[in-house]
Amino acid sequence: AQSVTQPDIHITVSEGASLELRCNYSYGATPYLFWYVQSPGQGLQLLLKYFSGDTLVQGIKGFEAEFKRSQSSFNLRKPSVHWSDAAEYFCAALTDSWGKLQFGAGTQVVVTP
Amino acid sequence: GAGVSQSPSNKVTEKGKDVELRCDPISGHTALYWYRQRLGQGLEFLIYFQGNSAPDKSGLPSDRFSAERTGESVSTLTIQRTQQEDSAVYLCASSLVGGVRGMGEQYFGPGTRLTVT
Repeated sequence: AQSVTQPDIHITVSEGASLELRCNYSYGATPYLFWYVQSPGQGLQLLLKYFSGDTLVQGIKGFEAEFKRSQSSFNLRKPSVHWSDAAEYFCAALTDSWGKLQFGAGTQVVVTP
Repeated sequence: GAGVSQSPSNKVTEKGKDVELRCDPISGHTALYWYRQRLGQGLEFLIYFQGNSAPDKSGLPSDRFSAERTGESVSTLTIQRTQQEDSAVYLCASSLVGGVRGMGEQYFGPGTRLTVT
């Protein structure tokens, strides 16, 4: 079955440290892949997306993600986190021609001083 | 408004009552999606509208759930005879065009938190 997996439910990181969030997908072909962020009380915001081409994609707020076909992964990274990056992060894949997104369970990021 | 709006932001209802959740998409967006987010879980797709029609209702969990969209704008998600397992945040998203042509770029509203007591 098609799926998106985020292995880490919760990550704590110090402000200024680097952050990497893992995402694995299970699809027959390379899906369109996305990372969204959900801050408390707000809707989901698109950070970045991958369709094809360059496997390293840049997004907003200093985030980037790397697509690795051999590992079926699309991990999100940020070199230096800010307190405002504390939020829940969702990896998602476009699964069909209707545009339906399938989401992972999310990773909660806590930033400590 | 500039973004997707949803109302109410919070709804508490008694088991067995009907509820209506509203979504106002971004003006001009032809595609509209409803998702459900249960506590500690990712989003589950419910239904997709392209214009006023709903070509994909595959995510609706039971016949107690229905949705409609009028005039390529407002959409209403109705849950009849609510059950406690319906408690969740219901999120609406819109996209300029639907399907792959929309490149999956969906803009989400803040959600409606539904609590069934």
